[in-house]
Amino acid sequence: ETVLTQSPGTLSLSPGERATLSCRASETFSSTFLAWYQQRPGQAPRLLIFGASNRATGIPDRFSGSGSGTDFTLTISRLEPEDFAVYYCQQYGSSPWTFGQGTKVEIK
Amino acid sequence: QVLLQASGPGLVKPSETLSLTCSVSGGSISSSSYYWGWIRQPPGKGLEWIGSIYYRGSTNYNPSLKSRVTISVDTSKNQFSLKVNSVTAADTAVYHCARLNTMLRGVGGYFFYGMDVWGQGTTVTVSS
Repeated sequence: ETVLTQSPGTLSLSPGERATLSCRASETFSSTFLAWYQQRPGQAPRLLIFGASNRATGIPDRFSGSGSGTDFTLTISRLEPEDFAVYYCQQYGSSPWTFGQGTKVEIK
Repeated sequence: QVLLQASGPGLVKPSETLSLTCSVSGGSISSSSYYWGWIRQPPGKGLEWIGSIYYRGSTNYNPSLKSRVTISVDTSKNQFSLKVNSVTAADTAVYHCARLNTMLRGVGGYFFYGMDVWGQGTTVTVSS
């Protein structure tokens, strides 16, 4: 099973600041199969990024993804109030498809 | 606009079977571009992929749950279902259904995977 480890667990930042979230895999897989999701309290997850670096429909360009191999990054260039949420990475490279444990971005 | 709606009992007794259905509206479940999946989230915790199904019936399960889980599809009703046998308190969670799109077009015209449509989630509590 490919284990995804996200860091940090919690990121305390102010609106307007830059957020950098990490997702590290226990084994290499193609970036084709890496996605990022945002989950606000009480809501279902929402697809942000697919294929490691492609924004999903309707996602603002302040969100960007990068990485390959075992190391992937989600960057939010300037935090807006609605961006304070939990973010998950997920891999489809090998079964079982797995999620990281999540990074909570909270208001400082 | 495709919408997913999960439904089923909110309370299940230990050792019994949890049964949920996800109804798909605004689009056909019988598309070659999609898989249909279940993901759960215990209270205050992260996401766990349970399994997925293709409209023709092929399935893929998380090995940690495989012995207790069955996912099925009913194309005539445009819905898919989840059964979890022999439940315990550890199965208490919000259960989400989602569409896995295998044809998300990215930069360069390549296609990628992603769960692009989610249901609102339904809470299932296992308790006597």
